[in-house]
Amino acid sequence: GEDVEQSLFLSVREGDSSVINCTYTDSSSTYLYWYKQEPGAGLQLLTYIFSNMDMKQDQRLTVLLNKKDKHLSLRIADTQTGDSAIYFCAETQPTGNQFYFGTGTSLTVIP
Amino acid sequence: DVKVTQSSRYLVKRTGEKVFLECVQDMDHENMFWYRQDPGLGLRLIYFSYDVKMKEKGDIPEGYSVSREKKERFSLILESASTNQTSMYLCASSGQGKLFFGSGTQLSVL
Repeated sequence: GEDVEQSLFLSVREGDSSVINCTYTDSSSTYLYWYKQEPGAGLQLLTYIFSNMDMKQDQRLTVLLNKKDKHLSLRIADTQTGDSAIYFCAETQPTGNQFYFGTGTSLTVIP
Repeated sequence: DVKVTQSSRYLVKRTGEKVFLECVQDMDHENMFWYRQDPGLGLRLIYFSYDVKMKEKGDIPEGYSVSREKKERFSLILESASTNQTSMYLCASSGQGKLFFGSGTQLSVL
């Protein structure tokens, strides 16, 4: 399968910005995604970006895609304690029937 | 909104039992998936299906089988449950380039 890499842990103070990073290996990715998983729950699709875009903003979330470096990031502005969760980066191929996930970044927000 | 429903939130079974995990989606999606999630190992694909009665093995199909008799329903079967199949099982369906998950079934095999 394709390689999708993320750092395992991130801690930020409440009110600060969080930046979660992801790198991937396959240049034919069509969509790239960020999912959020709260304890004991399934994965919730937070946002996604099409591979021909550089940036997407949705309220407190900003996704940046550097296709040349195969680097994806998720910035959460004004991070709140409710943002504490595991965040997964994922990508899919043009066929759309295979999705590749990173191992997840556990975000801890310190009050 | 897309809804992917897994029949059980928590399940406790004994070694050797046959276990059925059911998943239903309401968006007429062609593709459906079963993953398992274990600490430190991330999500691993067990099986996926791209149409009724069609299935493809994922990365870790051993010890599992699947059934897709209707488009909206995708079942995961553990023929003879073993303790190393204790895990969180996640069902998902995809459409229009996006993957949607159910809330997961935490299975414990004793």
